[in-house]
Amino acid sequence: SQTIHQWPATLVQPVGSPLSLECTVEGTSNPNLYWYRQAAGRGLQLLFYSIGIDQISSEVPQNLSASRPQDRQFILSSKKLLLSDSGFYLCACGLAGGTDTQYFGPGTRLTVL
Amino acid sequence: AQSVTQLDSHVSVSEGTPVLLRCNYSSSYSPSLFWYVQHPNKGLQLLLKYTSAATLVKGINGFEAEFKKSETSFHLTKPSAHMSDAAEYFCVVSPSGYGNKLVFGAGTILRVKS
Repeated sequence: SQTIHQWPATLVQPVGSPLSLECTVEGTSNPNLYWYRQAAGRGLQLLFYSIGIDQISSEVPQNLSASRPQDRQFILSSKKLLLSDSGFYLCACGLAGGTDTQYFGPGTRLTVL
Repeated sequence: AQSVTQLDSHVSVSEGTPVLLRCNYSSSYSPSLFWYVQHPNKGLQLLLKYTSAATLVKGINGFEAEFKKSETSFHLTKPSAHMSDAAEYFCVVSPSGYGNKLVFGAGTILRVKS
């Protein structure tokens, strides 16, 4: 079965600083990968999804970007963080072959001050 | 458009009593439906999934859900609540049964009283 790793687990960053969150997946090949954000009182928001290396779709215009340099690695980045970027960031994995079940990583708590 | 409505934002039960978390969905196609659970500061864990094989779906930790097409509902139940069940629960629909995007409900926070 697949295992999803995220790091760091928690992060406190000043406004205007850069961001890099990493997600790696074990136990499956060619997965669909997703970044979600949970902000207080706003539910889960899909930010990006990827069906393959360098194939990334953005769901919400924002100052975040995503990259997938390897099959099982998904990175969320920002050049300059905003206060509104604070939240709980979740990486999810959908298995190859068209199934729609997604499995979630442990998350990263980001606080922008 | 596909949507999910969780009818209660908060549910409070006593330990050992039944749990009912309500979910209604709207989908143009035969959907896949899911329940996930999230404990504080943790990722989401899949409880169960409906894919049309059987209307009553059994999941982990004693939870089950019944798909009722006529009522467009997918309520989550458990016969006897445990303290460890206290968490937030999300009802989720994958509208076409295949694809990249899930539609999440707003979540129901379950409180279990001792």
